[in-house]
Amino acid sequence: QQQVKQSPQSLIVQKGGISIINCAYENTAFDYFPWYQQFPGKGPALLIAIRPDVSEKKEGRFTISFNKSAKQFSLHIMDSQPGDSATYFCAASTSSGSARQLTFGSGTQLTVLP
Amino acid sequence: DSGVTQTPKHLITATGQRVTLRCSPRSGDLSVYWYQQSLDQGLQFLIQYYNGEERAKGNILERFSAQQFPDLHSELNLSSLELGDSALYFCASSVESGTSGSDEQFFGPGTRLTVL
Repeated sequence: QQQVKQSPQSLIVQKGGISIINCAYENTAFDYFPWYQQFPGKGPALLIAIRPDVSEKKEGRFTISFNKSAKQFSLHIMDSQPGDSATYFCAASTSSGSARQLTFGSGTQLTVLP
Repeated sequence: DSGVTQTPKHLITATGQRVTLRCSPRSGDLSVYWYQQSLDQGLQFLIQYYNGEERAKGNILERFSAQQFPDLHSELNLSSLELGDSALYFCASSVESGTSGSDEQFFGPGTRLTVL
């Protein structure tokens, strides 16, 4: 199975709050898990990525938590700001072999209220 | 700016027609990926080229084809267009030198295709 399931579909958070987006995967061959941020009319931009040898990765206000046994990973946005309002996609791929295409989740539309 | 360029930005055409979308990867990137983004299907992988050779195929229709040229730019050809082909088409590139950290894919701004 190649699916990556993402939830919630939409999320509204107050400024300064914590935004949490969850993803689950089925293919145990996946070993690279990036998160992308997309603004309207723009291409997806790489935000942060993790590999399964660590359980957490933090970059600024963005943290990925990874649970290998549960095959789940999540994005936490601390101190959410109105400028974070965008669509967020989780993705997964394998990093072995020559075919490294990304399998994307369905996306989460985040709105941060001022 | 990701460094990946795509042209044209917008394309409006009629059913049955053929169009070509162009992508220039970031300098030094050998791999080019094409993705389709639509409201009902989300972001879906179409095809990957690495240094001129096809490496992987996803949910790409037989009416669609692609190639990567010696200068590493890539073109996606869409023929016998149908209304359902209306979507955003993104190109992404990566280094993929086989070393750790080289899997990052950088996306271009996309081409919005409208089939009338």
